[in-house]
Amino acid sequence: EPEVTQTPSHQVTQMGQEVILRCVPISNHLYFYWYRQILGQKVEFLVSFYNNEISEKSEIFDDQFSVERPDGSNFTLKIRSTKLEDSAMYFCASSEWDVGDTEAFFGQGTRLTVV
Amino acid sequence: DAKTTQPPSMDCAEGRAANLPCNHSTISGNEYVYWYRQIHSQGPQYIIHGLKNNETNEMASLIITEDRKSSTLILPHATLRDTAVYYCIVSLSNNLFFGTGTRLTVIP
Repeated sequence: EPEVTQTPSHQVTQMGQEVILRCVPISNHLYFYWYRQILGQKVEFLVSFYNNEISEKSEIFDDQFSVERPDGSNFTLKIRSTKLEDSAMYFCASSEWDVGDTEAFFGQGTRLTVV
Repeated sequence: DAKTTQPPSMDCAEGRAANLPCNHSTISGNEYVYWYRQIHSQGPQYIIHGLKNNETNEMASLIITEDRKSSTLILPHATLRDTAVYYCIVSLSNNLFFGTGTRLTVIP
């Protein structure tokens, strides 16, 4: 079964450093997403991406964050100048379409620890 | 923000059907009802979705009331591996806003 893969599985970084989280969506999917989950809290929507553009973003997704599809397979989330409160699980997801009648497939996540 | 209400927790005996309710009284006409689950801290896993009609797949059944204000996810024969947090989400798209879900514990 096709799956969304994320690397690394765990990333530790120092406060103030930049990190890039990587995702390989399912190959025929056109819509890509990032979510995050702070330990013990809800899964939160960050951003959706289609056709090399951000489709929608939440209030969390401020200027510290950016997304990119640098080539035909990868989808990345960059966090500039990380803060302690950025420590969380970050999940990438992809879907074939963005309309309601389709499902999103999630990766297993990257655990980001900011120290 | 999440527009659904779910009980925070439920138990189910192994082998029995698990019926997980969800209220979504403010659902709009073109919003779908999705169910996802999350086992430990793994990525959310899609289970099923529907618009108006009841739906069934290899994992579960989804029963949506005629007024669409509530729904029930049915796992017909719960196993220990079904222990997870189950999320009911209403959405027009895959920009999903998760609530706190129902923590289902399947008991041996």
